[in-house]
Amino acid sequence: DSGVTQTPKHLITATGQRVTLRCSPRSGDLSVYWYQQSLDQGLQFLIQYYNGEERAKGNILERFSAQQFPDLHSELNLSSLELGDSALYFCASSGTLNSGNTIYFGEGSWLTVV
Amino acid sequence: AQKVTQAQTEISVVEKEDVTLDCVYETRDTTYYLFWYKQPPSGELVFLIRRNSFDEQNEISGRYSWNFQKSTSSFNFTITASQVVDSAVYFCALSDLTTGTASKLTFGTGTRLQVTL
Repeated sequence: DSGVTQTPKHLITATGQRVTLRCSPRSGDLSVYWYQQSLDQGLQFLIQYYNGEERAKGNILERFSAQQFPDLHSELNLSSLELGDSALYFCASSGTLNSGNTIYFGEGSWLTVV
Repeated sequence: AQKVTQAQTEISVVEKEDVTLDCVYETRDTTYYLFWYKQPPSGELVFLIRRNSFDEQNEISGRYSWNFQKSTSSFNFTITASQVVDSAVYFCALSDLTTGTASKLTFGTGTRLQVTL
């Protein structure tokens, strides 16, 4: 158990819809990352937040957005969903005194767009 | 730009064989972290090791060992006496430290290891 919690674990939705993926980082971790894993693109970095502020941005579509809340949990919002958005979405966290720069991943949220 | 290459797409071994997974990276940064993660069939990404760029000491953890060679930009992973439970996809990843803390990871394409009886 990495200590990073993601919900929901599985989600099936229709094209054009909007979903929200939720992530609770490891206790005390200030950084939260979102990654997308698809068959054709592999593991792609989407976005990083550090203590509520956006720190780095990767290949995140404009239809996607994220935020980190004061309690450090994060949400990834995916809108106007397309079939190609079907993927495994990972949240990861890092940044406590103990774990330092080790990046731990949650179990992922499987999104299927039909 | 950072890049991680895992040239071995798939490896099949028989249980108890030793196997080495290769990882070659490219970066212009002088300080960085390298990681290995395991992704079993259930899908989660399991952290295995983190190594910083100024520590070239090899590491052994049980049946796992890692060989970091900065001169060849390689960070190879060896499993000794492989077991069926080692069957998974293994990812090598690179993180820069320009902000002073670990930042986004650049992943390789992964090596699928199949261990059979």
